[in-house]
Amino acid sequence: EIVMTQSPATLSVSPGERATLSCRASQSVSSNLAWYQQKPGQAPRLLIYAASTRVTTFPDRFSGSGSGTEFTLTISSLQSEDFALYYCQQYDNWPFTFGPGTKVDIK
Amino acid sequence: QAQLEESGGGVVQPGRSLRLSCAASGFTFSNYAMNWVRQAPGKGLEWVAVISYDGGNKYYADSVKGRFTISRDISNSTVYLQMNSLRAEDTAVYYCAREFGMGYGDNGWFDPWGQGTPVTVSS
Repeated sequence: EIVMTQSPATLSVSPGERATLSCRASQSVSSNLAWYQQKPGQAPRLLIYAASTRVTTFPDRFSGSGSGTEFTLTISSLQSEDFALYYCQQYDNWPFTFGPGTKVDIK
Repeated sequence: QAQLEESGGGVVQPGRSLRLSCAASGFTFSNYAMNWVRQAPGKGLEWVAVISYDGGNKYYADSVKGRFTISRDISNSTVYLQMNSLRAEDTAVYYCAREFGMGYGDNGWFDPWGQGTPVTVSS
């Protein structure tokens, strides 16, 4: 099983600042990595797939990068609606696995 | 647009069974693999099971293997999760999710997700 880790567990950021979230895989997943956003009481929503392709329902202040075992989600200028939990997921191999999540909260 | 709606959750005693349903609409159901993912209270996401586009391939997390069965009915665009021998640790919100893959190793990301159905296993 591929183990996914995320850092930091919590990221406190002021509105307008940049946020950088990290995700690491225990073995290479190529670019088969997705990022999801989850808000309290809601289902996760797909944000990034194939490591760096952003879905059109999210603004371009969100970007993803990386391949192999190291990945990054960057939010260039945090808006109030971006404070949420973010999970990475590898879909390279079964069982699919998720990271433990990074909570982005208001500083 | 593509939508998923889960149902069938509830409170059940340990050792009993429950069947969850996920009704799909707004897309060609038979073209996609489908997955179940769960989230225990206050915890992260745990993938549970996948079924291929044609139902011919299924894969399970070790934590549910031998107790849970995923199936699909293409005629009514529904995917099911039969959960037997339920344990307290199965308590979670269960989400279904469409996978951008066909379930034969051409794996893909999950989009969309349903709103989830809660399952509580307690005596």
